[in-house]
Amino acid sequence: DAGVIQSPRHEVTEMGQEVTLRCKPISGHDYLFWYRQTMMRGLELLIYFNNNVPIDDSGMPEDRFSAKMPNASFSTLKIQPSEPRDSAVYFCASSLWGYGYTFGSGTRLTVV
Amino acid sequence: AQKVTQAQTEISVVEKEDVTLDCVYETRDTTYYLFWYKQPPSGELVFLIRRNSFDEQNEISGRYSWNFQKSTSSFNFTITASQVVDSAVYFCALSEVRYTGANSKLTFGKGITLSVRP
Repeated sequence: DAGVIQSPRHEVTEMGQEVTLRCKPISGHDYLFWYRQTMMRGLELLIYFNNNVPIDDSGMPEDRFSAKMPNASFSTLKIQPSEPRDSAVYFCASSLWGYGYTFGSGTRLTVV
Repeated sequence: AQKVTQAQTEISVVEKEDVTLDCVYETRDTTYYLFWYKQPPSGELVFLIRRNSFDEQNEISGRYSWNFQKSTSSFNFTITASQVVDSAVYFCALSEVRYTGANSKLTFGKGITLSVRP
């Protein structure tokens, strides 16, 4: 299995631009999670889906952030407009009901 | 609410020393899972172990061992005969288990940076 695949690995964008991060979960996994990692706040959950349905989005920082999961094999996290404080590493993870969590390699976002 | 505390922020040891990484958790649930992840300098999160709340047996995997004590809400991780390749950030994490057995979110501690010097 290829594991959880995230793209791009690195993204540098200017403040105010739209940024879209992508995630392909492990085939057959029914949960998908988006986490953000910063020095100040550590690893924090942004949102998670079960069978493509958002279950808990209480970690989404503000309306500039949105996430979708149109099908079982793809999810996006969008930031519009981006701000320098959004700079972080964004991880996607997937899991199968009742089992462990597998993380992607992360997307390092830098907003200048 | 769930909480994971890793009081140690940075640990530095010399190769071949044993080192223990502490983890204390808080939850109101009686059924939960505990995890350890390793984040090497390359940045990925590598799964090390998962433990459910009903299994307090200690576990050993090569140079790694884990001590789970519900009485003290601790899930400590020991590396025996540390090596330079063990240098990484180590995260302890906790997840609830829904009554259906389904997953919930992982709550992470702040992580412990372990440096192993040659």
